[in-house]
Amino acid sequence: SQQGEEDPQALSIQEGENATMNCSYKTSINNLQWYRQNSGRGLVHLILIRSNEREKHSGRLRVTLDTSKKSSSLLITASRAADTASYFCATVTRTGNQFYFGTGTSLTVIP
Amino acid sequence: DSGVTQTPKHLITATGQRVTLRCSPRSGDLSVYWYQQSLDQGLQFLIQYYNGEERAKGNILERFSAQQFPDLHSELNLSSLELGDSALYFCASSVTSGSNEQFFGPGTRLTVL
Repeated sequence: SQQGEEDPQALSIQEGENATMNCSYKTSINNLQWYRQNSGRGLVHLILIRSNEREKHSGRLRVTLDTSKKSSSLLITASRAADTASYFCATVTRTGNQFYFGTGTSLTVIP
Repeated sequence: DSGVTQTPKHLITATGQRVTLRCSPRSGDLSVYWYQQSLDQGLQFLIQYYNGEERAKGNILERFSAQQFPDLHSELNLSSLELGDSALYFCASSVTSGSNEQFFGPGTRLTVL
């Protein structure tokens, strides 16, 4: 499968702590994107990092990309209960035509 | 609200039946993507259309088909339904056919009894 795999599958932390989730993939990519999904809802785009970028920030989010290891990480700092959701990475092939979503990390932030 | 609409929200039907799911992309978006999300398979890419033309195909079964109309709305047709087709079906849209972010609709929950 060309799907990415997130690690861990589930993560439970206290409010205020940082949450880190990882994504590994198999193919060469154009970019990698992170999405968030609240239970039973549509996915919401969080951040996009291109293959020639190594790190990107957006608010409390920090994404890193290591193309040599074919891996990415998403860090959410100072977590809030409202961050409770599933987080997916999506890899976009070099042709830009194929999106492959990972298996997701379920994050629970305990108030 | 992403601007992508999907109808219906819920659909309950029997095995062997055929259903049509509808998606209206965000205003200005030319690409439409269909995904299936089930508990055991995760989020599976089915098919992509760009400006009326099929652009990419994923894990779409032969019993499933889709099309994008001149007004850019899209329909996903599921036929000879099986119990295992029960899932959330998402439509997403993006501005181009390339690698931009996708905007997801709220999904259609299909239950096959």
